[in-house]
Amino acid sequence: EIVLTQSPATLSLSPGERATLSCRASQSISNFVAWYQQKPGQAPRLLIYDTSDRATGIPARFSGSGSGTDFTLTISSLEPEDSAVYYCQQRINRPLSISFGQGTRLEIK
Amino acid sequence: EVQLLESGGGLVQPGGSLRLSCAASGFSFGSYFMFWVRQAPGKGLEYVSGISSNGGTTYYANSVKGRFAISRDNSRNTVFLQVGSLRTDDMGVYYCARQKAGSYSLDYWGHGTLVTVSS
Repeated sequence: EIVLTQSPATLSLSPGERATLSCRASQSISNFVAWYQQKPGQAPRLLIYDTSDRATGIPARFSGSGSGTDFTLTISSLEPEDSAVYYCQQRINRPLSISFGQGTRLEIK
Repeated sequence: EVQLLESGGGLVQPGGSLRLSCAASGFSFGSYFMFWVRQAPGKGLEYVSGISSNGGTTYYANSVKGRFAISRDNSRNTVFLQVGSLRTDDMGVYYCARQKAGSYSLDYWGHGTLVTVSS
């Protein structure tokens, strides 16, 4: 079973700062990592798919990178509305399933 | 506009069952792989089940295999999740989500339906 581990668990930064969120897989995975943002009481929203492609309507300050076992979501200049929990996700082909990291809570001071 | 609307959640006793529905609109439903993902109170996201576009292939997390059944009716643009032998650790919000075409990500999510398991 491939496990996704996100770090840090919590991140507290100020507006305008850069946020770097990590997602590490327990073994090498294909470059099909996605990132989601979830605010309280809301469904998750797709931010990044296929490691580095921004979903429709996602601001350019969100970017994704990585390969192998290490993947990163970067928010270049934080806005107050970026306060949320962020999850990474990957898909396993045999047997078919998807899995999520445990999440990183981002707080904007 | 793509919309996914879940329903069917509620309060059920341990060992009970429910049928969750997800009505889709705004896209060619029969062309997309669909998933159910759940979230226990205060916890993270957990994959539950997936179904191919024509309904011919289904997939389940080990934690629900044998107890849950996913199905779809493409003529009604609806995906279902029959949840049975419910336990307290099945409690949470159940989301349906659409797999993005050509990707392994989930690009549209419903608002979720809450399942509460309690005696």
